[in-house]
Amino acid sequence: DQQVKQNSPSLSVQEGRISILNCDYTNSMFDYFLWYKKYPAEGPTFLISISSIKDKNEDGRFTVFLNKSAKHLSLHIVPSQPGDSAVYFCAALYGGSQGNLIFGKGTKLSVKP
Amino acid sequence: GAGVSQSPSNKVTEKGKDVELRCDPISGHTALYWYRQRLGQGLEFLIYFQGNSAPDKSGLPSDRFSAERTGESVSTLTIQRTQQEDSAVYLCASSLEPPGQYNEQFFGPGTRLTVL
Repeated sequence: DQQVKQNSPSLSVQEGRISILNCDYTNSMFDYFLWYKKYPAEGPTFLISISSIKDKNEDGRFTVFLNKSAKHLSLHIVPSQPGDSAVYFCAALYGGSQGNLIFGKGTKLSVKP
Repeated sequence: GAGVSQSPSNKVTEKGKDVELRCDPISGHTALYWYRQRLGQGLEFLIYFQGNSAPDKSGLPSDRFSAERTGESVSTLTIQRTQQEDSAVYLCASSLEPPGQYNEQFFGPGTRLTVL
């Protein structure tokens, strides 16, 4: 049973526009959420995170929004650039865990010039 | 400085053979994780090492899987009598000491295992 779900396997966006990647979770014990970015043949790299006590975290072009009541988070990339083309993974962990991340299946973002 | 390294980058083996995958974490990182990513799936937690504590093996899918870590350095993941469903990318990550707060996990490039 998947605890972290990314229902869109792919997303295509025009350069300069906004990319919105969505993630849903089922475990209300999760208290920290992260987005990782992965290029082919490389390991995932950390992008941005958010604690469950917040509803928004912003870092440059990247903003993560958390809606706890809906158990939903989203990653906004504005403006999108061709170099943002990658697979984006949503991940979560809960307090008291040893830090092992629970990942979604990923969304492949393609930003077209 | 050097990141997490893994070897080999690719491994092709025959069903029934044993394989050993290696991970060199970032120096000074006390926590080490193994994950695997099967085709079309997200990363799946396998095992966690923290310092000299007993490892958390709760994610290992079967007793054919085992892992060791020498102190706070190299780790090896061993899969005995490989099966075709073991084909995946095996990823290692390391971080500064958890738990209680989140410390960023730095991932290696992974080992792509193909079992024929």
